[in-house]
Amino acid sequence: DTGVSQDPRHKITKRGQNVTFRCDPISEHNRLYWYRQTLGQGPEFLTYFQNEAQLEKSRLLSDRFSAERPKGSFSTLEIQRTEQGDSAMYLCASSFEFVTQYFGPGTRLLVL
Amino acid sequence: GIQVEQSPPDLILQEGANSTLRCNFSDSVNNLQWFHQNPWGQLINLFYIPSGTKQNGRLSATTVATERYSLLYISSSQTTDSGVYFCAVGGGSRETSGSRLTFGEGTQLTVNP
Repeated sequence: DTGVSQDPRHKITKRGQNVTFRCDPISEHNRLYWYRQTLGQGPEFLTYFQNEAQLEKSRLLSDRFSAERPKGSFSTLEIQRTEQGDSAMYLCASSFEFVTQYFGPGTRLLVL
Repeated sequence: GIQVEQSPPDLILQEGANSTLRCNFSDSVNNLQWFHQNPWGQLINLFYIPSGTKQNGRLSATTVATERYSLLYISSSQTTDSGVYFCAVGGGSRETSGSRLTFGEGTQLTVNP
């Protein structure tokens, strides 16, 4: 399967813990995006990378969130000191330049 | 930022019926995509259609960029078409071109046998 992959698919954590998610994009894609989706809503943009450079961050990305794409391939999204409001589906997408974004299966986070 | 409105919010059909979903957006765009989100949360690409008309089997889409709307047509609907359909746009004149997608709130489609 050469689509976008995400790991883990599900994560349950306690409030105050740190969590890290991984995204592996489609191999020839230079752009990688993170979105967050809460129940009953459409996904909301968090941040995106072109190669290893993080070029845009949403105001939704508080200082507890950090994303990296160290070698321009896979990316990680870390949430520090999780809060119950962080419970959501975290989606990763990739594209080649400006065109179609392809989404991974998502990581469902539940903060207790 | 750019605003995206989808209608109707909910749609219930009998198997075999046709339907039209609408997406209005508030600014010029250079990216418009339609997605189907399955019950497991996976967003499945249907169309990349910033302008013009495309068809793929029972699905077709039309975007009239000058009038800032897009339509998704589903013909001869099947129960497997059930789910949430999202329209997402990017590249509005006030935004970094080709980066973020802004999603509508979706249309929840239920197709009954």
